[in-house]
Amino acid sequence: DIQMTQSPSTLSASVGDRVTITCRASQSIGSWLAWYQQKPGKAPKVLIYKASILESGVPSRFSGSGSGTEFTLTISSLQPDDFATYYCQQYNSYFGGGTKVEIK
Amino acid sequence: EVQVVESGGALVHPGGSLRLSCAASGFTSSSYYMSWVRQAPGKGLEWVANINQDGSEIYYVDSVKGRFTISRDTAKNSLYLQMNSLRVEDTAVYYCAKDITWGQGTLVTVSS
Repeated sequence: DIQMTQSPSTLSASVGDRVTITCRASQSIGSWLAWYQQKPGKAPKVLIYKASILESGVPSRFSGSGSGTEFTLTISSLQPDDFATYYCQQYNSYFGGGTKVEIK
Repeated sequence: EVQVVESGGALVHPGGSLRLSCAASGFTSSSYYMSWVRQAPGKGLEWVANINQDGSEIYYVDSVKGRFTISRDTAKNSLYLQMNSLRVEDTAVYYCAKDITWGQGTLVTVSS
């Protein structure tokens, strides 16, 4: 099984900060990685698919990069609406443990 | 529009069984890997099972092996999750997924 390790598990940041979340796969998954945002009581919302493609309607301050075993989600300038939990997922398989982005 | 809609969630006693259904629309589900994902209250997302296009490759997370069965019905363009020997720790919202397209989920509560 390919395991996904996400870091950090919690991140405290301020509005306007640049935020980076990392996801590592235990073996290569090519570009078959998605990033999701989840807010309390809501279903997850896809932000990035195939590692770096921005889902339609998602603000351009979100970006994804990486391939193989190491991936990054970057929020270029954190906005109030971005305080949420973020997950990476190998397509149709395991998730990272999640990163909760909190207000500093 | 590509869409999946889950149904079948309910309150069930420990040891009981339940079958979840996922109706696909806007695409032919048998042409894609499909999966089930769950989220227990206050916990993270957990992949549960997946099935390839022709059903010849099926994988489960260790915690449900031998208890859950994923299947698909090509004619009905649907995906299923048969859940047997349910445990309290199986309590979660269950989501059907086609790659990055998810439904809104169906709640399964296992409680006496």
